[in-house]
Amino acid sequence: KQEVTQIPAALSVPEGENLVLNCSFTDSAIYNLQWFRQDPGKGLTSLLLIQSSQREQTSGRLNASLDKSSGRSTLYIAASQPGDSATYLCAVRNTDKLIFGTGTRLQVFP
Amino acid sequence: NAGVTQTPKFQVLKTGQSMTLQCAQDMNHEYMSWYRQDPGMGLRLIHYSVGAGITDQGEVPNGYNVSRSTTEDFPLRLLSAAPSQTSVYFCASRSELATDTQYFGPGTRLTVL
Repeated sequence: KQEVTQIPAALSVPEGENLVLNCSFTDSAIYNLQWFRQDPGKGLTSLLLIQSSQREQTSGRLNASLDKSSGRSTLYIAASQPGDSATYLCAVRNTDKLIFGTGTRLQVFP
Repeated sequence: NAGVTQTPKFQVLKTGQSMTLQCAQDMNHEYMSWYRQDPGMGLRLIHYSVGAGITDQGEVPNGYNVSRSTTEDFPLRLLSAAPSQTSVYFCASRSELATDTQYFGPGTRLTVL
């Protein structure tokens, strides 16, 4: 059974810091891995999707990497801003199912 | 495109009542799914559908029923509400392409008293 773990559960950093969020999964037979952002009381917004054959994806200040063999992904946020404060979720796709981690709650303070 | 829409946004039920959570998408996506989100437990898959007329169980299907008569709609039915079903429910859809991301609705916050 696929299990997805995210560390740390919560993170508080000053504005301007570069930071790394971690995601690990137990079954390397995945189609893709996605990173989502969730603001309080809102739905999920997709940030990056990495196919199983890819090593990384970039969008603006965000960079996500995937090491399928070791079951790990990282989300790198450069020059963090207070607007980045949210919960970040990773999810892996096995066949038709998307399995989520429990998320990292990020607070960026001015 | 409206994307994925869900109604209602909020709902309070008494134990034993039944109700249907509505979900619709206008992107002609084949895949639709329902998740519940509880504190400390992340999102868990309830039911999913790979196309009209085809549904399957996810991780936590007990107490819920689904059907998929059209591509656009995927309602979730609570047969006899229980306090353990108090949660935030999200509907999602995606195309059949392996490269496509999952699109989520805004959620329904359900409280069962």
